[in-house]
Amino acid sequence: GENVEQHPSTLSVQEGDSAVIKCTYSDSASNYFPWYKQELGKRPQLIIDIRSNVGEKKDQRIAVTLNKTAKHFSLHITETQPEDSAVYFCALFPRGYNKLIFGAGTRLAVHP
Amino acid sequence: KAGVTQTPRYLIKTRGQQVTLSCSPISGHRSVSWYQQTPGQGLQFLFEYFSETQRNKGNFPGRFSGRQFSNSRSEMNVSTLELGDSALYLCASSPTGTGGEDEQFFGPGTRLTVL
Repeated sequence: GENVEQHPSTLSVQEGDSAVIKCTYSDSASNYFPWYKQELGKRPQLIIDIRSNVGEKKDQRIAVTLNKTAKHFSLHITETQPEDSAVYFCALFPRGYNKLIFGAGTRLAVHP
Repeated sequence: KAGVTQTPRYLIKTRGQQVTLSCSPISGHRSVSWYQQTPGQGLQFLFEYFSETQRNKGNFPGRFSGRQFSNSRSEMNVSTLELGDSALYLCASSPTGTGGEDEQFFGPGTRLTVL
């Protein structure tokens, strides 16, 4: 079945540093890979997504890369700020199914 | 447009009881999905409804059930509550739910505590 492994589980960086979170998956038919940010006590919110026909996508300080051959995708946050502190989840939709399969999450702490 | 709303926001029940949670999707959205979030298991898919029909189902026991009404509002029910059912229950709506092509918008969740 579908499976998403996410690493690392925790990440601590200094303000201004970069942060990278990586996810690997098993279902080669997946074609849509969203990333969600969840702040403490709040709902998950989509921050960026990528589709299988694209290798990289950027939105200001956030970028996502996808390697379909190796079946992994990564979130890159540059110039981190304290407000980036949250739990980040990678996810995917198995092709043809409207259900999100989530990674276990990465708790990112950005220290001033 | 108003976002996804869920009621109640907090709920305390005892083992053996049953509970019903409600979700109102964004206006015009026809697909509603439910997820359970726990510290140990993370975010897990429960089921998805589209046009009043359950289209996808996760690996949860039959005590977990749901339904969708003609106005796309959805309810989920958990019967014979167990301590392990304590979790944040999130619903998400999407416009068409077409094979994962739409973004899913999450509600604030209902935090269920089972004593």
